Amino acid sequence: DGGITQSPKYLFRKEGQNVTLSCEQNLNHDAMYWYRQDPGQGLRLIYYSQIVNDFQKGDIAEGYSVSREKKESFPLTVTSAQKNPTAFYLCASSIGLTGANVLTFGAGSRLTVL
Amino acid sequence: EDQVTQSPEALRLQEGESSSLNCSYTVSGLRGLFWYRQDPGKGPEFLFTLYSAGEEKEKERLKATLTKKESFLHITAPKPEDSATYLCAVRRTGNQFYFGTGTSLTVIP
Repeated sequence: DGGITQSPKYLFRKEGQNVTLSCEQNLNHDAMYWYRQDPGQGLRLIYYSQIVNDFQKGDIAEGYSVSREKKESFPLTVTSAQKNPTAFYLCASSIGLTGANVLTFGAGSRLTVL
Repeated sequence: EDQVTQSPEALRLQEGESSSLNCSYTVSGLRGLFWYRQDPGKGPEFLFTLYSAGEEKEKERLKATLTKKESFLHITAPKPEDSATYLCAVRRTGNQFYFGTGTSLTVIP
């Protein structure tokens, strides 16, 4: 079955540590996205990539970094510069700029800072 | 400023009691309005896309409609399994999506 796999599902981080969240898709989608979800707030865009080796900052990119070396993979690193990283992180993909461009989401990763 | 507002924040219905969720939006260059369902601790699941005012789409007990300023998600005779958070999002020119904060629906048997 085609879909998006996020790992780990739960992650605990000590202050000052960098952590990387994995996102893999087998949908052959060109575009991939990272969103952050906090209680009472809409999904907020962290980074997105429309093609391999290219990505753009979203609304809340500070303290985060990404890479897009392969079409299937779009890992997100939460750095120690992110002051409030505890949140639910969602990876998504879409066909690209054309067509219906529906976002397909992974199951999410919950990050907790100890 | 682009904005998506959903109401109510929470809704409790008796099983079989029909109602509607609202999504009002202001966005330049609208390229689609999307409805998603999200269960606790899971990623959103796509329900509908609407592109132009007057458009309607249905799926089982759900029906989505669109005007120039808002969209409604009508739920007819809901069942407990319809309990979830329903998210509305708009896509604007440039492939950016803006999400509302969602409506948490609880259907009581």
